[in-house]
Amino acid sequence: GAVVSQHPSRVICKSGTSVKIECRSLDFQATTMFWYRQFPKKSLMLMATSNEGSKATYEQGVEKDKFLINHASLTLSTLTVTSAHPEDSSFYICSTKGGGGGDTQYFGPGTRLTVL
Amino acid sequence: DQQVKQNSPSLSVQEGRISILNCDYTNSMFDYFLWYKKYPAEGPTFLISISSIKDKNEDGRFTVFLNKSAKHLSLHIVPSQPGDSAVYFCAASAGGYGQNFVFGPGTRLSVLP
Repeated sequence: GAVVSQHPSRVICKSGTSVKIECRSLDFQATTMFWYRQFPKKSLMLMATSNEGSKATYEQGVEKDKFLINHASLTLSTLTVTSAHPEDSSFYICSTKGGGGGDTQYFGPGTRLTVL
Repeated sequence: DQQVKQNSPSLSVQEGRISILNCDYTNSMFDYFLWYKKYPAEGPTFLISISSIKDKNEDGRFTVFLNKSAKHLSLHIVPSQPGDSAVYFCAASAGGYGQNFVFGPGTRLSVLP
């Protein structure tokens, strides 16, 4: 299966700063990547679908100016949390769609963001 | 290499019968395991979890079994219902809940009426 990495795995930042999270598909050309955020009841909320070479599609209620997504290449998508606040503290995880049009998704290991 | 594997990409079961979804892991440091259920265009929803100090956890129709020596866990759904049709992901973490999770690639369950 595909290998997806995320960097950093953990980040602590001060309120008001911006944080960039990278999602890389190491051995697979990912035209589509998904960004999720985990909530306290452990479910993952789909934030946006990132398409290589075009604008990301954001889910309802997700502020696109706050969560900037760039999918500049087939192996890299980035999520930038701008002007982070403590309520943005969460576990952010990306995934890529598997090949062949199936339901398989390959998840990255996630990034735990803590905003002080 | 995948640390969490779900070797069956799909599974079909008749309504009312048992569904068994399997998950294998390679990292012996994993000590907390979760199952998620995912419908199209939504994020995975938490279903049930198990800590490595247990070998079974039950919640209604859903039971998760953990075999630490085999590094294997399974999700049993009894009885299966058409609404259970979804993609199921297992996930694992080391150091308890709160640490980063490693997800498997998912298994699509189709429950046939």
